Amino acid sequence: DGGITQSPKYLFRKEGQNVTLSCEQNLNHDAMYWYRQDPGQGLRLIYYSQIVNDFQKGDIAEGYSVSREKKESFPLTVTSAQKNPTAFYLCASRGTGFSGANVLTFGAGSRLTVL
Amino acid sequence: SQKIEQNSEALNIQEGKTATLTCNYTNYSPAYLQWYRQDPGRGPVFLLLIRENEKEKRKERLKVTFDTTLKQSLFHITASQPADSATYLCALNQAGTALIFGKGTTLSVSS
Repeated sequence: DGGITQSPKYLFRKEGQNVTLSCEQNLNHDAMYWYRQDPGQGLRLIYYSQIVNDFQKGDIAEGYSVSREKKESFPLTVTSAQKNPTAFYLCASRGTGFSGANVLTFGAGSRLTVL
Repeated sequence: SQKIEQNSEALNIQEGKTATLTCNYTNYSPAYLQWYRQDPGRGPVFLLLIRENEKEKRKERLKVTFDTTLKQSLFHITASQPADSATYLCALNQAGTALIFGKGTTLSVSS
């Protein structure tokens, strides 16, 4: 089955630690995205990548880093510089249909809790 | 700044009734408007897309309208069922740009 796999589903981090969230897709999509979701808030864009070896900052990139070495993979690192990292993190990719509309396919999400 | 508002955080209706959810936006001229469904602890799932030059789009029991003059979209679920209970997200963008999401409306359908 084609889709997006995020891991781990749940992650606990101590303050001062970096953690990396995995996102893998087998949909052959070029563009991939990371969003953050907090209770009562809409999804906020962290980073996105339109093509391998290229990525752009979203609205809340501070304290996060990404890489895009392979088309299938877009890992997100939450660094110790992120002051409030506890949140639900969603990875998504964009297909080629609905040209221009950016219809997204999402993974199941990773919930990060800072202890 | 660009802003999206979904009419209420929660909407409770009886099974069989029509649920109507509202999405308003300001300081923006989107080319596309989308609706997603999100179940607790899961990622959003795409439901419907409507373009700025379309007034209405239907898919089974779902109907979306898009009024660019009022800067508003209405999302209807007819003959609602308890299985329709979820959070529904409105999202919009201009061609090629990243999606902007609303906070969502949580729909509860009681039997």
